[in-house]
Amino acid sequence: DVKVTQSSRYLVKRTGEKVFLECVQDMDHENMFWYRQDPGLGLRLIYFSYDVKMKEKGDIPEGYSVSREKKERFSLILESASTNQTSMYLCASSSVLFGQHTGELFFGEGSRLTVL
Amino acid sequence: AQRVTQPEKLLSVFKGAPVELKCNYSYSGSPELFWYVQYSRQRLQLLLRHISRESIKGFTADLNKGETSFHLKKPFAQEEDSAMYYCAPLAPDDKIIFGKGTRLHILP
Repeated sequence: DVKVTQSSRYLVKRTGEKVFLECVQDMDHENMFWYRQDPGLGLRLIYFSYDVKMKEKGDIPEGYSVSREKKERFSLILESASTNQTSMYLCASSSVLFGQHTGELFFGEGSRLTVL
Repeated sequence: AQRVTQPEKLLSVFKGAPVELKCNYSYSGSPELFWYVQYSRQRLQLLLRHISRESIKGFTADLNKGETSFHLKKPFAQEEDSAMYYCAPLAPDDKIIFGKGTRLHILP
């Protein structure tokens, strides 16, 4: 069974702290994504990566960075957390078939971050 | 800008009634389109994609290129269909951009 695992389900941090959100997938997928999910705003893409050490900005990258040192792991970093980054963060992965993105995303359970 | 619009935030439908969740997109070319669903306390998951032309859990979605729509339909709603539904096109740059979602509430 395919699996995307987000290491932290719930986190509470203070303004200005550095926050790491970890995501691991066991499906050997090439693509990995970070979204944030907010009521009324849906899912907004923060960053995605289509290969190790590669990253692309999504629609709302400001205040975030990412790291992909290994194929299975994609980390989201908040260098200095702010209250407006309180949200549910979803990691997802997807595969490439015959050189094309399949488009089917497999999601983790989410990490709910509260910044006080 | 490439966009996807789901005009209804909340849709309440009686059990047994037909369901239609609307999605309009403004992408150039012919994007591949998906519907994702999130049931209460579960992960977001793929419901169906237009290219497969499948019916999943009784839902179907027809791509109308003229109207640039990809509405999700089911003839008879069931209580277990209550969930959050997202329309999501696959853009040419491999990004998958989600609509804001529609919460479907099935009334008994």
